[in-house]
This record gives sequence, structure tokens and C-alpha cells, in this order.
Amino acid sequence: AQTVTQSQPEMSVQEAETVTLSCTYDTSESDYYLFWYKQPPSRQMILVIRQEAYKQQNATENRFSVNFQKAAKSFSLKISDSQLGDAAMYFCAYRSAWDLNRDDKIIFGKGTRLHILP
Amino acid sequence: KAGVTQTPRYLIKTRGQQVTLSCSPISGHRSVSWYQQTPGQGLQFLFEYFSETQRNKGNFPGRFSGRQFSNSRSEMNVSTLELGDSALYLCASSLVQGAGSKETQYFGPGTRLLVL
Repeated sequence: AQTVTQSQPEMSVQEAETVTLSCTYDTSESDYYLFWYKQPPSRQMILVIRQEAYKQQNATENRFSVNFQKAAKSFSLKISDSQLGDAAMYFCAYRSAWDLNRDDKIIFGKGTRLHILP
Repeated sequence: KAGVTQTPRYLIKTRGQQVTLSCSPISGHRSVSWYQQTPGQGLQFLFEYFSETQRNKGNFPGRFSGRQFSNSRSEMNVSTLELGDSALYLCASSLVQGAGSKETQYFGPGTRLLVL
């Protein structure tokens, strides 16, 4: 079964600085997708970034980028020029590329709460 | 463009009752997925629908069911409610383009269900 681990329950970063959130996963599949989601205090979940496992190039979305290491099964999120609006819970997620009626089709990590210090 | 809407936003039920939650996706999105979020279990995948067909289902008991209509609106139903079903239920609509190379996904605000 697939697992997703976020080892940092909480992190803080100074405004305008760069922060990296860690995520490791375990799978025996070769084809899958990885995601980072942001959930601010409003609880509105937002897709931050998506990575296809078969693509070696790291995904980027403006100030957000990932470091995808497939062999190491690592998928970290880097936030550059941190802003107060980045304060939120961040979830790493794995999604199998196959349509399956299994509970590990989509797996979320426990989340990392990110604080931005003014 | 209107976002993903979920109704109702808040719901209080008692054990043994049943509940139906609704999700209207973004226009043009044919994929709808449902998630349960609780403090103890975190985020868990419930099911995914695409063009009225259930494509994937998480490991939830048969009390949890769903469906999708021809207009892509989706409902999930929980029968014989238990205290542990108290949660925030999130719905997301997705559009995949370019043979899977680009995915747009938006979440609704959620339905907060409290079972007494």
C-alpha cells in the first residue's frame, strides 16, 4: 500500500524568506501523480502544484516549486519570497495513475502547518 | 466563472439518520471527487466520479455512497450515521487536458457535518 509522510508537523519562516516543506512517499507503482495542497484557516483547499512521476522536470508555479526525487521517493515543496498569505496547512498527496477501487488510490500526508513571521 | 458549490454548508444530524450532500462542479468539469477530513484521520479519499461513472472508491463502508448526474453534479449519501462520521466533507472538480499533462482542480468550501 502507498504511504505519504510529512515529517514536519509545523514550520515557521520569516516573510520574504524561502522555506522547504518535506514529503516522502512509498509506492511500488511507476506511474503516479504527486500534489501539494494548501488549506488556509478558511479550510478552502487549494491545489498548489502537481507533478507527474514520469516527468523528470520539476514542476513550478510562480513562487512555488518542487524537488522531485523519484528514486528517493521524495517530493519537497519550496516556497520562495514567503508572504503572509502563504500561512496555511500544506498537504502532500499521492495519486495512483490507475483507476482502482482501493483505499490507497489517493493518499494524503498528515500536513505541515506553515507560519509566516512578519 | 462560478466556483465549486457544496450544499448544505453545515448540517447537524443524530445517530442513525441519513444525510445527502451535494456538489456542483465548475462548468465543463466532468470529474468530481469527495474527501472526508477529520482531526483524527486527516484527509481521506471517498470516491471519484467521471461522466456519471464511479471511477475510484476509497476504503469506506457501504454506508457511504455517491452518484453523479448527467450535468456533472454529484451527491454523496451516508446512511445510518455514526458519531465518527462527523467531519468536513470536501468535494473537488477536475479537468484534465493535454493527455493528462495539465490538470485543473478546484475544491468546494466543504460541508461540515456534526453527528450527535
